[in-house]
Amino acid sequence: AQSVTQLGSHVSVSEGALVLLRCNYSSSVPPYLFWYVQYPNQGLQLLLKYTTGATLVKGINGFEAEFKKSETSFHLTKPSAHMSDAAEYFCAVSEGGNTPLVFGKGTRLSVIA
Amino acid sequence: GAVVSQHPSRVICKSGTSVKIECRSLDFQATTMFWYRQFPKQSLMLMATSNEGSKATYEQGVEKDKFLINHASLTLSTLTVTSAHPEDSSFYICSARVLTGAENSPLHFGNGTRLTVT
Repeated sequence: AQSVTQLGSHVSVSEGALVLLRCNYSSSVPPYLFWYVQYPNQGLQLLLKYTTGATLVKGINGFEAEFKKSETSFHLTKPSAHMSDAAEYFCAVSEGGNTPLVFGKGTRLSVIA
Repeated sequence: GAVVSQHPSRVICKSGTSVKIECRSLDFQATTMFWYRQFPKQSLMLMATSNEGSKATYEQGVEKDKFLINHASLTLSTLTVTSAHPEDSSFYICSARVLTGAENSPLHFGNGTRLTVT
């Protein structure tokens, strides 16, 4: 069975500071990993995904994540936080194919002016 | 990009009534759609997998007679919450994947439906 652990239900950073949202996964097969962002009362928007190949993945809005197999991690980073980055962020894993995603519990990012 | 449309975005209903939520893939065909439920400040929990032309597959603990899923076409899946109760109040989100033949397609999500049962 697959699972995702997101450390920290709430992260607060100052505008312009580094954003680091942590994600660890458990999977019995090579994982496909995703980060999604959710704004209040809206669906989820894909930020980035890792499938195979390059372990450093770049996404939209300046976000990137690095797949580290040895650490079973897929942490999300952004060099400089913007006020508009305040949202809920979900890390997810799948087995590939047409299978559902298993989500972490989410991390709420607050950006302080 | 692939668009998943969900309707309605908000619905308030009285206890005991039924509510239907529609999920459409607007620019692609989806043989499979996934229905998730999200409680306030919590993660998304998979409720069921909707399969076009066949019965849905429900996750453990989800009542199939309460949450009726119909996937009658390649672009439409519906979730009907029957005999709704206040504890069914939640945020329901559907999703689908564009099948490219590669095993790395992300899920595309609708904007969700906020159900409030009074």
